[in-house]
Amino acid sequence: DGGITQSPKYLFRKEGQNVTLSCEQNLNHDAMYWYRQDPGQGLRLIYYSQIVNDFQKGDIAEGYSVSREKKESFPLTVTSAQKNPTAFYLCASSIVPYEQYFGPGTRLTVT
Amino acid sequence: AQTVTQSQPEMSVQEAETVTLSCTYDTSESDYYLFWYKQPPSRQMILVIRQEAYKQQNATENRFSVNFQKAAKSFSLKISDSQLGDAAMYFCAYRSPNSGNTPLVFGKGTRLSVIA
Repeated sequence: DGGITQSPKYLFRKEGQNVTLSCEQNLNHDAMYWYRQDPGQGLRLIYYSQIVNDFQKGDIAEGYSVSREKKESFPLTVTSAQKNPTAFYLCASSIVPYEQYFGPGTRLTVT
Repeated sequence: AQTVTQSQPEMSVQEAETVTLSCTYDTSESDYYLFWYKQPPSRQMILVIRQEAYKQQNATENRFSVNFQKAAKSFSLKISDSQLGDAAMYFCAYRSPNSGNTPLVFGKGTRLSVIA
């Protein structure tokens, strides 16, 4: 089955630690995206990548970093510089001009 | 830049009734795609329906249909025979086919409650 996987579903970290969220897709999509969602809120774009080895900042990139070394993978690192990292993180992929396909998300809690 | 506005933060509907969620957008392009996504309590984003702007016919998927008014830049979602499982956040989104793989532009969402 083609799709997007995000792991783990729940992630707990201590404040001050960097943490990496995984996102893998087997849809052969060129583009991948990371969103942050706070309770009861909409989606906010963190980073996106239109092609391997290239990525662009979204609206709230500060405190986050990404890499795109393979077409299938787009990991997101939440660094200790992110002031309020506790949130729900969604990864997506797409092929122009159609819809974005989303993964199941990762709930990150930092204490 | 394109924008998408969902003016109803919350809506409610009685089970088996019909509800319409509003969405307006702003663009200078003539060719684009519009989408409605559903996000249930599981938080998985699910595509409900897609509309191509060049198609005059309104898209329909089972109990879900849209009212696409291109001149008015309006794209409302109608849910017929509402079911408890329709309770979710609904997001309207816009995509230009001319901007490569740039992200969809999302509205802020409408939370739909279904009353038994």
